[in-house]
Amino acid sequence: EAQVTQNPRYLITVTGKKLTVTCSQNMNHEYMSWYRQDPGLGLRQIYYSMNVEVTDKGDVPEGYKVSRKEKRNFPLILESPSPNQTSLYFCASSLSGLAGTQYFGPGTRLTVL
Amino acid sequence: KQEVTQIPAALSVPEGENLVLNCSFTDSAIYNLQWFRQDPGKGLTSLLLIQSSQREQTSGRLNASLDKSSGRSTLYIAASQPGDSATYLCAPSGGGADGLTFGKGTHLIIQP
Repeated sequence: EAQVTQNPRYLITVTGKKLTVTCSQNMNHEYMSWYRQDPGLGLRQIYYSMNVEVTDKGDVPEGYKVSRKEKRNFPLILESPSPNQTSLYFCASSLSGLAGTQYFGPGTRLTVL
Repeated sequence: KQEVTQIPAALSVPEGENLVLNCSFTDSAIYNLQWFRQDPGKGLTSLLLIQSSQREQTSGRLNASLDKSSGRSTLYIAASQPGDSATYLCAPSGGGADGLTFGKGTHLIIQP
């Protein structure tokens, strides 16, 4: 089944404890991206990647890192999480950048205490 | 910077009605526009993708239209069903790599 998977789905952590949210797609998509969704603010892009080893900042990249060492994986790294990073995070992928249909993962709900 | 507005913010109607959800955007230089559905606690599911050169797209009971020059798109849902209850989001794309711009959505409830 063609899909985007994220792990973990739910995470509660404490301020300053490094964490990684994984994202994987099995559709051989070149384009992958991360969004966060907050009440009243909607969905905002954090980082995106056009292909392996090519990443760039979205609208709200502060406090996040990403890497794209393999085509199928695009992990989101929070090196020193803070409470303002409490949010619902989505990974998305597409065959042809923003010209094509975007496929979203199921989301990761992160709480930073 | 693109701004997207969706009206109404919430809608509750009885089953069977035909519905129109509206989306407006400020920058008409878009490459395409997608409509998504989001169920509570779930991810986004793409419903329709309209290229900027198209006027409309249809999938089953859903029809989306696009008027790029006026910065508007509508999602028409025919013969609504309780299973259509969800939040509907529109997202125009500028064609670059720097992300979709999402509206805040229309929260739709279809009463049985």
